[in-house]
Amino acid sequence: QVQVVQSGAEVKKPGASVRVSCKAAAYTFTGYPMHWVRQAPGQGLEWMGWINPKNGDTNFAQKFQGRLTMSRDTSTSTAYMEVSGLRSDDTAVYYCARAEYYYDGTTNSYIYYFDYWGQGTLVTVSS
Amino acid sequence: DIQLTQSPSFLSASIGDRVTITCRASQDIGTSLAWYQQNPGKAPKLLIYAASTVQSGVPSRFSGSGSGTEFTLTISSLQPEDFATYFCQQLNSYRFGGGTRVDNK
Repeated sequence: QVQVVQSGAEVKKPGASVRVSCKAAAYTFTGYPMHWVRQAPGQGLEWMGWINPKNGDTNFAQKFQGRLTMSRDTSTSTAYMEVSGLRSDDTAVYYCARAEYYYDGTTNSYIYYFDYWGQGTLVTVSS
Repeated sequence: DIQLTQSPSFLSASIGDRVTITCRASQDIGTSLAWYQQNPGKAPKLLIYAASTVQSGVPSRFSGSGSGTEFTLTISSLQPEDFATYFCQQLNSYRFGGGTRVDNK
């Protein structure tokens, strides 16, 4: 069945970078955008951005512009998310999520929602 | 930016109760809304998309309604596995609501 499996927990010092991977299984990796969402301890969900695995196009939330990179390796069906210049408030669980779509006839547009999520990767930023 | 406000933030209920959670958008978003359930230490799970379409495999006690700026998630008869936190999400900007935690009374 469809799975997205993330890499393991990371501990980083302030100012460092972290890269989290997300490996897709049992579906066509290039057929679905991959989104990234994070959740600070005890807090809500924060959308970070997405990558189109087919062509590598990306779109990031304004908050993360300049610090966030997303890439993919189609040969291994793996998406990557890298955050640079880590701060203590970047401590969070980071999730990848596959995006499926439906057609909205009212707006004549395709709307994406997150149907399969990775298990999460805890990134701890501490000196 | 479109803001989503969920209410209540916390809800105490018993097995068998009918539970309703509200999500209000700061401007008209049509039916571009999803609902997710999250258990502690777990990833969110998709329940509803397009405001009222139940995801395959989700029990029929879950339903969603609304359009424009006001949306509801209803659990018709609360089951033990439903004690969790619920989030709405606007599907244009992908912003999430603040969450509603459902606890056992």
